[in-house]
Amino acid sequence: AQTVTQSQPEMSVQEAETVTLSCTYDTSESDYYLFWYKQPPSRQMILVIRQEAYKQQNATENRFSVNFQKAAKSFSLKISDSQLGDAAMYFCAYRGRVNYGGSQGNLIFGKGTKLSVKP
Amino acid sequence: DTGVSQDPRHKITKRGQNVTFRCDPISEHNRLYWYRQTLGQGPEFLTYFQNEAQLEKSRLLSDRFSAERPKGSFSTLEIQRTEQGDSAMYLCASSPPGSYNSPLHFGNGTRLTVT
Repeated sequence: AQTVTQSQPEMSVQEAETVTLSCTYDTSESDYYLFWYKQPPSRQMILVIRQEAYKQQNATENRFSVNFQKAAKSFSLKISDSQLGDAAMYFCAYRGRVNYGGSQGNLIFGKGTKLSVKP
Repeated sequence: DTGVSQDPRHKITKRGQNVTFRCDPISEHNRLYWYRQTLGQGPEFLTYFQNEAQLEKSRLLSDRFSAERPKGSFSTLEIQRTEQGDSAMYLCASSPPGSYNSPLHFGNGTRLTVT
């Protein structure tokens, strides 16, 4: 079974600095999707960035970028120029490809990393 | 796009009572998901609908849990004979037809407390 591990329960960053959140996963599949979701306190979870495993190029969305290391099964999130609004729980998630037998609904989440941003 | 709506936001119930939650997905989204999130954990998948068909259920979904999406629009999640272990945030999400790369759009969740 696939698993997602986030080894940093909490992280802290100074405003305007850069922080990297770690995520590793375990799978025997060769094609899949990886996601980072953000869950602010008492607010809904929103997508930050996504990566398709067959794409070698790392995804980038404005200040957010990933370091996808397929062989190492690592998918870290880098937040540049951190802002106070970045403070939230961040969840790494995995989804297998449906036509390769992956579950259609089973987005597998890690336990999350709580990010604090200091002014 | 009014987002995914969940009702109620909070529910406190006594052990043994039945509760029902409602989820209204984004209107053009045909896929609907239910997740459960306990404190300090990431969301755990419960069940998935494509239109009105319930295509997948997690082993977490015991016999006391039932979900429906009768007309392929809103969905309900019912928990019968609630137990203290059912206390959690219940999240609903939806996604549009097409690629499974499409992100899930989550609602604000229903927080259930069983006393």
